[in-house]
Amino acid sequence: GQNIDQPTEMTATEGAIVQINCTYQTSGFNGLFWYQQHAGEAPTFLSYNVLDGLEEKGRFSSFLSRSKGYSYLLLKELQMKDSASYLCAVKPNDYKLSFGAGTTVTVRA
Amino acid sequence: DGGITQSPKYLFRKEGQNVTLSCEQNLNHDAMYWYRQDPGQGLRLIYYSQIVNDFQKGDIAEGYSVSREKKESFPLTVTSAQKNPTAFYLCASSDGTSSSYEQYFGPGTRLTVT
Repeated sequence: GQNIDQPTEMTATEGAIVQINCTYQTSGFNGLFWYQQHAGEAPTFLSYNVLDGLEEKGRFSSFLSRSKGYSYLLLKELQMKDSASYLCAVKPNDYKLSFGAGTTVTVRA
Repeated sequence: DGGITQSPKYLFRKEGQNVTLSCEQNLNHDAMYWYRQDPGQGLRLIYYSQIVNDFQKGDIAEGYSVSREKKESFPLTVTSAQKNPTAFYLCASSDGTSSSYEQYFGPGTRLTVT
């Protein structure tokens, strides 16, 4: 089976930085995705990593270490609209995404 | 505007009834997926289809059925055999199934069975 772990909840202050960790143990690895999901809405794509290293996209960055089975999503200059659930998903093979349970981030003023 | 539509947003049914959830996409994507989301759990794959007239079971297919007669449509039927059907159901599509293709999600249908 696939095992993907991420913290359940995190709280941070507006303007701060938050790092959401994701560790995985999967039968294969064809890439790691991060999605953002606001309550009751569809997940939206944030980032994709398949090689080790850091991918930066505006205020959001995602890091991958394949040897450690580890990724993180870094959210900088937090805004109230960043309050959402962040889903880590691994593609163990070509067709399937396996999701972690998600991390709920609450941004406080 | 290209996208995925799911209808209805909220659906209520009595136990013992089959119910069909609609999913339509106009992104011209080959692959389509159905997920179920429960509180405190990750999305779990019910069925997926890589091409018209073909579909495969995901991790939790029992009590569900699908069809893929048209490229743009992938309806999901929740049958009375599904023991815990109350959940948030998400449909997704992707341009292909190889590793870099992200999945685009519809707005979801929240099904409540009493």
